[in-house]
Amino acid sequence: EVQLVESGGGLVQPGRSLRLSCAASGFIFDDYAMQWIRQVPGKGLEWVAGISWNSGSIGYGDSLKGRFTVSRDNAKNSVFLQLNSLSPDDTALYYCGTYVGHWGRGVQVTVSS
Amino acid sequence: QAVVTQEPSLTVSPGGTVTLTCGSSTGAVTTTHYPSWFQQKSGQAPTALLSDTGKRYSWTPARFSGSLLGGKASLTLSGARPEDEADYYCLLSYSDARRVFGGGTRLTVL
Repeated sequence: EVQLVESGGGLVQPGRSLRLSCAASGFIFDDYAMQWIRQVPGKGLEWVAGISWNSGSIGYGDSLKGRFTVSRDNAKNSVFLQLNSLSPDDTALYYCGTYVGHWGRGVQVTVSS
Repeated sequence: QAVVTQEPSLTVSPGGTVTLTCGSSTGAVTTTHYPSWFQQKSGQAPTALLSDTGKRYSWTPARFSGSLLGGKASLTLSGARPEDEADYYCLLSYSDARRVFGGGTRLTVL
């Protein structure tokens, strides 16, 4: 069974950083590209970042202004999202997923003083 | 910066058929945008429905289908059920490895 479990979220002050992790199991992790999306409560889905199986191709959503960095460690079956210079607008539920339809339950990030 | 457009809301009668569309500000949506569709029911995480224009996942009911129509990607629901009431999002891929979601369509089955 495919499982994706996000972690690392929480309450953080504006301007600070946070690193989200996503642990994958139930499939051959380094065969698949991975992606992150987010959702502000009551709003639509926003695509955040994607990374190919070997980290050779990486893309980011237009609104992130270079503040986020996606990476992966195939030896640990994990993908990461480094969030820097956080603002209250980044408050959202962050999901990791494959490009073949599997998604985690999400992790909450709240940016507030 | 591409903008992906969807109908804000649609209503379908139980048993009826409805088509949701997904357009791109950059021009016609083609297979190279690898259109995919997601369903999100109230209070739940999103679920992938279709990939690559019209490929169903193993969990996707056959009443959902996807295609390209009139320069847009489309999701057609045939034989709507009350449990299909949800928000539907399309996702398009662009050449620089970016992807962009549409604003979503709220589908009411009434």
